Amino acid sequence: ETGVTQSPTHLIKTRGQQVTLRCSSQSGHNTVSWYQQALGQGPQFIFQYYREEENGRGNFPPRFSGLQFPNYSSELNVNALELDDSALYLCASSSRGYTEAFFGQGTRLTVV
Amino acid sequence: DQQVKQNSPSLSVQEGRISILNCDYTNSMFDYFLWYKKYPAEGPTFLISISSIKDKNEDGRFTVFLNKSAKHLSLHIVPSQPGDSAVYFCAARGNQFYFGTGTSLTVIP
Repeated sequence: ETGVTQSPTHLIKTRGQQVTLRCSSQSGHNTVSWYQQALGQGPQFIFQYYREEENGRGNFPPRFSGLQFPNYSSELNVNALELDDSALYLCASSSRGYTEAFFGQGTRLTVV
Repeated sequence: DQQVKQNSPSLSVQEGRISILNCDYTNSMFDYFLWYKKYPAEGPTFLISISSIKDKNEDGRFTVFLNKSAKHLSLHIVPSQPGDSAVYFCAARGNQFYFGTGTSLTVIP
């Protein structure tokens, strides 16, 4: 068990709605990354937070936004949900100078 | 643009035999390579890694080989066990982690 926890585990939303996903990072880790994994694909990098600042972003539109809190936990917010946003959303935590990231179990988002 | 590629979506191996999972990458600036294992309904679990300055790293039944000139790495599992059946993702570290699309390994008892 990695110590990275995500909530909720499953979520169903309607197109156009907004969603917030949460992640508690592993103790001692100050970097949190979010990934989207569509069916049959590998995890795709959304963005990374280091000490409450966005520290890198993948090819995702601005309606994907995030926050990191002083305790290094994090939120992923997605506005104006689209059907193609249906995916497994993974959070990973690591330390600066990391050589590996530790993942949570993911949140399965279904947009209908 | 897929910088890390796993060209075999699936692999079946008999229990006790060797499993070889392959991964290719395009960016010579990647400095660390990792393999993750994923079971259904769980997040990826770190398995083994290798620095770009090495060509082999071994951990029990798992060995990762890196061929920088070919921009290729492979994961060898020997002997394969039914509990190894999972999806294996190759990842490379640059300014972020880049993941391949995964190879689904089935170990047949």
